[in-house]
Amino acid sequence: GQQVMQIPQYQHVQEGEDFTTYCNSSTTLSNIQWYKQRPGGHPVFLIQLVKSGEVKKQKRLTFQFGEAKKNSSLHITATQTTDVGTYFCAGNQGAQKLVFGQGTRLTINP
Amino acid sequence: KAGVTQTPRYLIKTRGQQVTLSCSPISGHRSVSWYQQTPGQGLQFLFEYFSETQRNKGNFPGRFSGRQFSNSRSEMNVSTLELGDSALYLCASSLASSSYEQYFGPGTRLTVT
Repeated sequence: GQQVMQIPQYQHVQEGEDFTTYCNSSTTLSNIQWYKQRPGGHPVFLIQLVKSGEVKKQKRLTFQFGEAKKNSSLHITATQTTDVGTYFCAGNQGAQKLVFGQGTRLTINP
Repeated sequence: KAGVTQTPRYLIKTRGQQVTLSCSPISGHRSVSWYQQTPGQGLQFLFEYFSETQRNKGNFPGRFSGRQFSNSRSEMNVSTLELGDSALYLCASSLASSSYEQYFGPGTRLTVT
């Protein structure tokens, strides 16, 4: 079945450093979604990518969808303490269920 | 617009019992998905309902079941609870399917003793 792998599992950075999490699917995806879950909270939708090679930016966050639509990345520039949380990618293959990656837990040293 | 609500927020049950969790989606959303979240397994898809029909199902035993009502509210039921069922159960609603952004509820924290 469809699998979505996400790395790294954990990342600890100094405030101001950059952060990147990567997502890889075993199958071609129709779209990929990214979510953020703050400690003690629930996942909150960040963005959806649909097109091959698509790049989207939200302030300090940059999202990419690979050319083959099997991988994606989230890059945060100059992290801030408000960026703390777990970042999940979730892949969708047509009308199939949404499959979440294991998440990358980001902690930041102020 | 009110968000996704889930009841109860916390629940403690003993092994062998059954439990029913409830989810009210955002008004106008017709798709409701359920996920189990545990520290070791991340977010695992349970099932998705749309217009009272189960559209997709995850790899969980038959003890896990769900349904959706005509007003899009959904319930999930777990029978014969096991210790391993302790988890955060999250409900998410979306306009039409999981291809759309999911709006998650706060979850129900189930502890099985």
